Amino acid sequence: KAGVTQTPRYLIKTRGQQVTLSCSPISGHRSVSWYQQTPGQGLQFLFEYFSETQRNKGNFPGRFSGRQFSNSRSEMNVSTLELGDSALYLCASSLEGDTLNSPLHFGNGTRLTVT
Amino acid sequence: AQSVAQPEDQVNVAEGNPLTVKCTYSVSGNPYLFWYVQYPNRGLQFLLKYITGDNLVKGSYGFEAEFNKSQTSFHLKKPSALVSDSALYFCAVRVLYGGATNKLIFGTGTLLAVQP
Repeated sequence: KAGVTQTPRYLIKTRGQQVTLSCSPISGHRSVSWYQQTPGQGLQFLFEYFSETQRNKGNFPGRFSGRQFSNSRSEMNVSTLELGDSALYLCASSLEGDTLNSPLHFGNGTRLTVT
Repeated sequence: AQSVAQPEDQVNVAEGNPLTVKCTYSVSGNPYLFWYVQYPNRGLQFLLKYITGDNLVKGSYGFEAEFNKSQTSFHLKKPSALVSDSALYFCAVRVLYGGATNKLIFGTGTLLAVQP
């Protein structure tokens, strides 16, 4: 069974641009969550989707948005990029809607560098 | 507010020796705790979780964790370390509000270095 696939693996953008990251969950998984990982702030929750609905959102500005499609694939978008948005963006999928019942499976991430 | 703390940025241990990676938590209700491991340039992998029941939880790759309610701790342990265990380890707590969720709050991570 294929794991969580994130594309692209690496991305270099310029300040002010926008970017879209993609995540394909494990087949059958309906939940997708996004996390930002930086050396200074560690792992921070962005948002989670379950059956195309955003259930939770972290404390990030409105420049960060996401969506989930009917096939459970998810995208996140960052507009008006800032240098501080440089990070590893991790996507995680889960079979069920609560991590108490099934663990999060993480992709290898997209490394975004903003110059 | 819910939080987890990992007081050690790095833990060094010799191969074959027991290892402990520390985690303490702060929650207002019953804690739901997790350990994940991250290898270089990879995502996180689930090791184990505590929801209820036995205080000693066994997980993947020979790891176990001990839940201690009085000390609000959930330390990760392994009886005999391997060089291949060298990685970044994260403790996490599931948020308690809002019903069913996959939202986790992670600690800052502890780098485990196992010397041959």
